[in-house]
Amino acid sequence: EIVMTQSPATLSVSPGERATLSCRASQSVSSNLAWYQQKPGQAPRLLIYGASTRATGIPARFSGSGSGTEFTLTISSLQSEDFAVYYCQQYNNWPLFGPGTKVDIK
Amino acid sequence: QVQLVESGGGLVKPGGSLRLSCAASGFTFSDYYMSWIRQAPGKGLEWVSYISSSSSYTNYADSVKGRFTISRDNAKNSLYLQMNSLRAEDTAVYYCARDALGAAAGSVDYWGQGTLVTVSS
Repeated sequence: EIVMTQSPATLSVSPGERATLSCRASQSVSSNLAWYQQKPGQAPRLLIYGASTRATGIPARFSGSGSGTEFTLTISSLQSEDFAVYYCQQYNNWPLFGPGTKVDIK
Repeated sequence: QVQLVESGGGLVKPGGSLRLSCAASGFTFSDYYMSWIRQAPGKGLEWVSYISSSSSYTNYADSVKGRFTISRDNAKNSLYLQMNSLRAEDTAVYYCARDALGAAAGSVDYWGQGTLVTVSS
């Protein structure tokens, strides 16, 4: 059974700074990985699929990289609307989310 | 535009049953895998079940296998989740979700607003 982990659990960042979020799978999921953003009281929003492809309408400041077991979501310059919880999700096997990383204001 | 609207949530006693519905519009429903995903209060996301576009294939999380049944009616553009033998740990917001690539259970590009299911005596 695949286990997904995300680090850090909380990331404190100042607006305009770069944020780097990590996601790790306990076994290879190839490039079958997605990233989502969730704000309080809202459904998640798809940011990245296929590990590195931005979903429709997602700003270029969001980028994804990695394959196999190690993945990264980078937000190049944090805007006020980017403070949220971010989840990775693998879909190589039974779909499974990571526990999330909360990005808050420093 | 794509819309997914869930209904049917509410308060139910342990051991009870509930049927969730999801009305889809703005896309060709019969072309897409669909899923139910839940989120317990203050917790992360858990994939509950998915169903293929023609209903030929379904799959379930171990936590709900044997208790929940996913189904769809492509003529009515609707997705359903029959939940039986409900437990306190099933308490969550349940989201209806559309597969991003259409052809397999993968990432989700559209979500409903969610419907809250509370299991409590």
